[in-house]
Amino acid sequence: KAGVTQTPRYLIKTRGQQVTLSCSPISGHRSVSWYQQTPGQGLQFLFEYFSETQRNKGNFPGRFSGRQFSNSRSEMNVSTLELGDSALYLCASSADPRGYSNQPQHFGDGTRLSIL
Amino acid sequence: TQLLEQSPQFLSIQEGENLTVYCNSSSVFSSLQWYRQEPGEGPVLLVTVVTGGEVKKLKRLTFQFGDARKDSSLHITAAQPGDTGLYLCAGARYNQGGKLIFGQGTELSVKP
Repeated sequence: KAGVTQTPRYLIKTRGQQVTLSCSPISGHRSVSWYQQTPGQGLQFLFEYFSETQRNKGNFPGRFSGRQFSNSRSEMNVSTLELGDSALYLCASSADPRGYSNQPQHFGDGTRLSIL
Repeated sequence: TQLLEQSPQFLSIQEGENLTVYCNSSSVFSSLQWYRQEPGEGPVLLVTVVTGGEVKKLKRLTFQFGDARKDSSLHITAAQPGDTGLYLCAGARYNQGGKLIFGQGTELSVKP
């Protein structure tokens, strides 16, 4: 069974630009969550999508947005990039058929975003 | 505010030693998940503990969920160099779907 696929693996952008990251979940998984990982803050929850609807949201500014398509694939967008947005962005999927927690989260290998 | 305090942050030991990593919170979680992450890769799920007091074993790794569901521990027996990596605990809350709250992680280095 294919795992969670994130593209691209690496991205270099400059301040002020915008970026779109993509995540393909495990087949059959309807929940997709996004996390930002930095050395100082660790892993922080950005948002979660379930059946094309944002179900949970973390404490990030509105420059961070996302969406989910009918095939459960998800994208996240960051506009007006800042130096502090440099991080590893991780996507995780889970089956979670009823919206309960306790479902195992399966992570992709992330997109390394560097802002110059 | 760090809702999950993980300790120690760094651990360097010799092959064959035992170690314990702790994950503590003042909040109740519906489950605790433990992950291991290697450089350049995403976290890989090791175990999910759901019931207060639950103990799960995965070969040389023993995971425990506190009775009050506020804390958890990971114990490794006879550590091996292959155990080297970043260990992360993550808590889930009731009816919050895929939202996980992560501890800061424990960087484990096992020297041969």
